[in-house]
Amino acid sequence: DTAVSQTPKYLVTQMGNDKSIKCEQNLGHDTMYWYKQDSKKFLKIMFSYNNKELIINETVPNRFSPKSPDKAHLNLHINSLELGDSAVYFCASSQDLGAAGNTIYFGEGSWLTVV
Amino acid sequence: DQQVKQNSPSLSVQEGRISILNCDYTNSMFDYFLWYKKYPAEGPTFLISISSIKDKNEDGRFTVFLNKSAKHLSLHIVPSQPGDSAVYFCAASGFGKLIFGTGTRLQVFP
Repeated sequence: DTAVSQTPKYLVTQMGNDKSIKCEQNLGHDTMYWYKQDSKKFLKIMFSYNNKELIINETVPNRFSPKSPDKAHLNLHINSLELGDSAVYFCASSQDLGAAGNTIYFGEGSWLTVV
Repeated sequence: DQQVKQNSPSLSVQEGRISILNCDYTNSMFDYFLWYKKYPAEGPTFLISISSIKDKNEDGRFTVFLNKSAKHLSLHIVPSQPGDSAVYFCAASGFGKLIFGTGTRLQVFP
């Protein structure tokens, strides 16, 4: 059973389109995240949610809108896609928010290519 | 402004020898440090961590050393195995999030 699963794994889409990436965790964790790994391989946090409440929003453009219907799901919706949005997006979860030594579990990543 | 840095993008080591991966950080408020391993087309997986109040943590072939005065940590893998070939990310925990370095690609050759 995959602990953190995200779909789709690969997505190629045109500029200007709107797309969503779904994420689910079956670990019973309270906190979920979205990370982005860009072409320079930087792995940076975008958002974190704790019990469906937005905690961290790292100056991500408004075109990115996370939605957490329950604490086991955190979906990422992206409007008006731009070429620079091409990256790998990782969903992740952890038991608590920011607790020392709190291990974060990652999904396999979603490869988004905007053409 | 990169708070966690891995200055070596790649490292090549012979099987059986020691692999040493280095990481530097800038913020003394980080309270925990972690290493993640990533294979191609997979998400990062947790490998080992260390609290800021300790200077060493060992788990099998993996040992992490922390030098707080130098704001430096390192991951030692001994003996290195071909299956260890992957990208290793150093991460620092603080302010409710993990901040990652850019990774070091380790290749272990026979």
